[in-house]
Amino acid sequence: EVQLVESGGGLVKPGGSLRLSCAASGFTFSIYSMNWVRQAPGKGLEWVSSISSSSSYMYYADSLKGRFAISRDNAKNSLYLQMHSLRAEDTAVYYCARDGYGSGSFDSWGQGTLVTVSS
Amino acid sequence: QSALTQPASVSGSPGQSITISCTGTSSDVGGFNYVSWYQQHPGKAPKLMISDVTNRPSGVSNRFSGSKSGNTASLTISGLQAEDEADYYCSSYTSSSNWVFGGGTKLTVL
Repeated sequence: EVQLVESGGGLVKPGGSLRLSCAASGFTFSIYSMNWVRQAPGKGLEWVSSISSSSSYMYYADSLKGRFAISRDNAKNSLYLQMHSLRAEDTAVYYCARDGYGSGSFDSWGQGTLVTVSS
Repeated sequence: QSALTQPASVSGSPGQSITISCTGTSSDVGGFNYVSWYQQHPGKAPKLMISDVTNRPSGVSNRFSGSKSGNTASLTISGLQAEDEADYYCSSYTSSSNWVFGGGTKLTVL
């Protein structure tokens, strides 16, 4: 069974940093591209970032303006999102999502971790 | 990248069929067959219902179907059931190698 478990969320002050993690199990992590998707309270889904299976390619939403960095460790079956210069508008549940293999979709999702940016 | 356009809400009675539209541009929906649909119940993670415009993942009811015409994709749910009440989101790959979601549609089963 595919499992994605996010961690690292919490309360952080504006301008602060936070690192999210996603532990993957139940599938061959190293062959899948992975993604972060966020959802602000009461709002819709927003794609944040993607990383290819071997970390050769990384993509980000234009709105992030270089503040976030995605990475992965295939030896540890883990995905990460380093977030800097956090703003109130970054407050959201952050989901880890697996790319559909050979398919343009997000076929498995974690339960999400809440990031709250507030003074 | 602007969000894809979905109706804010749709409703239907049990047993009826409903369709949710998802309108984009030639740089996303119209340019790629990488449109997917997600169901999200309150407080839960999204669940993939349709991938690549028309493909239904294993375990998803055949009451769910997808289609696309030009820059508009559609999700149809037939034989509405109470458990179908949820938020639905479309998503598309884009020419910028990014992904974009629709604003979401709240489905109410009357």
